[in-house]
Amino acid sequence: GIQVEQSPPDLILQEGANSTLRCNFSDSVNNLQWFHQNPWGQLINLFYIPSGTKQNGRLSATTVATERYSLLYISSSQTTDSGVYFCAAINSGAGSYQLTFGKGTKLSVIP
Amino acid sequence: DVKVTQSSRYLVKRTGEKVFLECVQDMDHENMFWYRQDPGLGLRLIYFSYDVKMKEKGDIPEGYSVSREKKERFSLILESASTNQTSMYLCASSPGTGYHEQYFGPGTRLTVT
Repeated sequence: GIQVEQSPPDLILQEGANSTLRCNFSDSVNNLQWFHQNPWGQLINLFYIPSGTKQNGRLSATTVATERYSLLYISSSQTTDSGVYFCAAINSGAGSYQLTFGKGTKLSVIP
Repeated sequence: DVKVTQSSRYLVKRTGEKVFLECVQDMDHENMFWYRQDPGLGLRLIYFSYDVKMKEKGDIPEGYSVSREKKERFSLILESASTNQTSMYLCASSPGTGYHEQYFGPGTRLTVT
C-alpha cells in the first residue's frame, strides 16, 4: 500500500515565526488532503490539494504529484495553530480505494 | 457546511459488551468511513462504505462490523468489546466518486474496562 511520511515529527515555534511541514508519499495518488487536529481531537480540513498550490489566509499548501510530496506552509504562526497536522493520501480507481494517513507533525507555538 | 455528528463524545463500556457507535452526515455524501486513532499509530481505517448496504474492509477490520441502512448513517459495532479496543474513534464522510475530500466528526473516546 501507499506509505506516507511526514516531517518533522515535532516542531516548536516562537509566535510569529514561519514553518514548512512536509508530506512524502510512496506512490502516485489521486488526492492529497491536509488536516489540523485541535486539542479536543477534532480534525479540521485545511486543504484538499491533489496538485498545485492553494492559499487560505496564513496557510498555503503545494502538492507536486510527479515528485510525490506535499508541503504545508504556516506563516506568522499563532498559539492557536498548535496541534497536530496530518496529511492523507488517497488512491482510488475502479473497485479499489486506498487511503493512508501520515503519523502527523506536532506543532507547538509558544508566546 | 458539512456536518458530521457522532452519538457520543465519551463512552465507557465493560469487556464483552456489545457497543454501537453512530455517525450521521447531513450532506448526502456517498462515502462514509470509520477510523481509530491511537498514540504512535496514527489514524487507521477500520471500514468504509460506498453506498447504502455496501461496505468494504479497511486496514484493521478485525473485531468490528458496520451497518449502513440509510445513506446518512453509518454505524460501527463492537460485537464483544475488549480492552485493546480502547481508542478514539473518528467517523468521516466524502462526497463520492472522483471527489474524495473527507469531513470528520468530533470523535468518540471509548474506554473498555
